[in-house]
Amino acid sequence: GAGVSQSPSNKVTEKGKDVELRCDPISGHTALYWYRQSLGQGLEFLIYFQGNSAPDKSGLPSDRFSAERTGGSVSTLTIQRTQQEDSAVYLCASAGASAPSGEQYFGPGTRLTVT
Amino acid sequence: AQSVTQLDSQVPVFEEAPVELRCNYSSSVSVYLFWYVQYPNQGLQLLLKYLSGSTLVKGINGFEAEFNKSQTSFHLRKPSVHISDTAEYFCAVRGGSQGNLIFGKGTKLSVKP
Repeated sequence: GAGVSQSPSNKVTEKGKDVELRCDPISGHTALYWYRQSLGQGLEFLIYFQGNSAPDKSGLPSDRFSAERTGGSVSTLTIQRTQQEDSAVYLCASAGASAPSGEQYFGPGTRLTVT
Repeated sequence: AQSVTQLDSQVPVFEEAPVELRCNYSSSVSVYLFWYVQYPNQGLQLLLKYLSGSTLVKGINGFEAEFNKSQTSFHLRKPSVHISDTAEYFCAVRGGSQGNLIFGKGTKLSVKP
């Protein structure tokens, strides 16, 4: 079946603008994760959704970052007032309840460049 | 808190040579370990995983890894690499109660003809 998809694949924005990044998980997967991959910090966990439960936001770097997941499926990561240090690849992953513990399937990522 | 250390940031190797990519972890709880591969401009693909049972884990593309609890290591090996194995490899441990992955900094494997 279809894997995790993300859009856009590339996004260039000016400093101070808001951006929205979209993730479509694998159908039926209840868990959804956002990660950020940057040159200086490597791969970092940002936020986790499980079904309709309140998300785990413990990895969000600042209050400019937020995410939502509608209907337990599609997720949107929003970055407000973007800064140059937000430039990175944002990866989404999903996991199914029946998958071995921790097995996550990753999307191709959105490359964000803040100028 | 869990953490992962990948000891080599870059590993150059000739085609058909063996390779070992090193990974050490620290964890105070039950360990679930993973190796992911990232080809240029692509997302992460799971190579193999250790959840429990046999300490020698076989994955895709001829890779294998051995879980060593006493040395807190999970090194990745392949007996004979191909040009197509050129990629970045990430070791990860399942961290936290929510299952998010904690990654090492990655190792860039460069296979030369």
